[in-house]
Formats: sequence, structure tokens, C-alpha cells
Amino acid sequence: DTAVSQTPKYLVTQMGNDKSIKCEQNLGHDTMYWYKQDSKKFLKIMFSYNNKELIINETVPNRFSPKSPDKAHLNLHINSLELGDSAVYFCASSQGWENEQFFGPGTRLTVL
Amino acid sequence: GNSVTQMEGPVTLSEEAFLTINCTYTATGYPSLFWYVQYPGEGLQLLLKATKADDKGSNKGFEATYRKETTSFHLEKGSVQVSDSAVYFCALSEDSWGKLQFGAGTQVVVTP
Repeated sequence: DTAVSQTPKYLVTQMGNDKSIKCEQNLGHDTMYWYKQDSKKFLKIMFSYNNKELIINETVPNRFSPKSPDKAHLNLHINSLELGDSAVYFCASSQGWENEQFFGPGTRLTVL
Repeated sequence: GNSVTQMEGPVTLSEEAFLTINCTYTATGYPSLFWYVQYPGEGLQLLLKATKADDKGSNKGFEATYRKETTSFHLEKGSVQVSDSAVYFCALSEDSWGKLQFGAGTQVVVTP
């Protein structure tokens, strides 16, 4: 049983396109996150939602728009993709911000 | 602001060798400290954590002690296995809605 799942696993697209990455967790958690991991493996938080409410928004370009239709889902929509958006994007969830975060398997985005 | 510094890799070891990965942090308050592990092609998994000074986190033979006086949280394992080959991330979290701040990651390669 997958705890935190992401789709797609791989995404290859052209510059200027708009794409979405989906995340679902079946752990009953109330907090979800998006992280970006660059080519040097450096991880940085992008967004955090608690009970569908945006809590953390870390100086991310407004081309990135998270959407949480319910507590189990946090999708990431990216407009006008740029080369620098190429990275692995990880979704995570936790029960309350103070508890362990469980990570999804990642989505490798390649912008050509 | 807060930051996490960990030793650069890759660290290459023979099986059954002793592993140490150094991690130091700067924080304004009293953060919780974590070690996460990322196996090839997978998402991050929590390896261990410590929430206050002098706490020792341990799991799967790995240990790390929260040292407030040296602002460090070094990861150690007495006898590594090939299956320990992975990227290890030190991270901290303060009272800011689960915002995990990661170090750059240290790749560990264990050879038979």
C-alpha cells in the first residue's frame, strides 16, 4: 500500500508548456508539502498546506501554483516552464507539522 | 537564518568500516534535528531524530547525538553494509509549520 504517491514519475516537456504533478497520501495526514531537489541533490521546501490552507510559501516564482482540493491531495501546477525548473519534485505529508514527514517517490521533471 | 552544513561526499567505504558523517547547524532557537536517507531512485525516509539537547536518535545501527554546545548532530554507524549505500541528509526544523531545512546531502558508497 503506497503511503504517498506521485504522478507522473517522469515528465519530459518543452519550455513554455504548462504541466501538473499530482500527489496523494492515504495516511490520513493533515499537512502536505512540496520540495524541489536540484541536480546537486540539494533539497528545498516550496510549499506547505495544513488542512487545505497554505502555510508555507518559500519565495517560489508565481508560475508555481499548488492546489489542495482536499486533505489527501496536493497538486503542483507549473506555468510557462523554464529550463531551470528541471529537477526532482517530492511531495511529503505529516500529521501535524511537528511529526515525521513521509515522502513520495519523486517526479523527475525535465524541461527541454 | 537557520542553516545546516554537512560534509561533502562522496564518502567511499569498505563493508564493515566505521561511518561518520558530520553535520553542524545554526539556528535561532531550539530546533529538532533529523537524519533522512535517500536510496537510489527513491524518496527520502526518516532515519532518526532528536528533539532536544543530549538526545540520542538511533535506528538500523545508526546513531546521532544532539550536541547543543557544538551545534552538531553527527551520524555514525559502527559497521556499514553495501545496502547502506545512499545519500544521507541532515535537517532541522523549528516551530515554523514543519519547514525542514536540509543540508546538501552526503553520498555514501559502500563497496564489498
